[in-house]
Amino acid sequence: QQQVKQSPQSLIVQKGGISIINCAYENTAFDYFPWYQQFPGKGPALLIAIRPDVSEKKEGRFTISFNKSAKQFSLHIMDSQPGDSATYFCAASMRTGNQFYFGTGTSLTVIP
Amino acid sequence: GAVVSQHPSWVICKSGTSVKIECRSLDFQATTMFWYRQFPKQSLMLMATSNEGSKATYEQGVEKDKFLINHASLTLSTLTVTSAHPEDSSFYICSARAGGNTDTQYFGPGTRLTVL
Repeated sequence: QQQVKQSPQSLIVQKGGISIINCAYENTAFDYFPWYQQFPGKGPALLIAIRPDVSEKKEGRFTISFNKSAKQFSLHIMDSQPGDSATYFCAASMRTGNQFYFGTGTSLTVIP
Repeated sequence: GAVVSQHPSWVICKSGTSVKIECRSLDFQATTMFWYRQFPKQSLMLMATSNEGSKATYEQGVEKDKFLINHASLTLSTLTVTSAHPEDSSFYICSARAGGNTDTQYFGPGTRLTVL
């Protein structure tokens, strides 16, 4: 059973546009929600993370929006650039455990 | 940010041989390390969790006798694929988590294993 559901599977955005990737979860015990960026042949790199006590977190062009009641969180990439083309994974974990539950990934392509 | 290294970055071996992959946390002590397997265009599949000085905890369906994990120190974990077969060919990625209240996992660059 997929603990974290991610959509869309792939996304094509024009340079300068906004990329939006969505994730949903069921387990209310999750209390840490990171986003990772992965380039082909490389390991995932932490982009930004949020906890349920805030509804939004922004770091540069990357913003996480968190809706606790809907059990959804999303990544917004403002002013998308071709260099942002990569696969993005959302994840969730709970403080009492170690395991990350990953979404299925979104392949983002930013076209010039 | 914290740095995790993996060695080798890629390896090609013959069927039946064993391959060891090292994962090191370079600038922090990792109380917990994780090993993942990733197939092309798919998500990361957790194989096992290892805590320093104790036996690894394997996920359901992962053969512990085939994928030997050792976490001998706070900065080093190794994954040994024993008697490798072509179906073991994959991208293996480790991650490390510092102790205390840190939730973040830092990932290594991955190791591409090809078994001929």
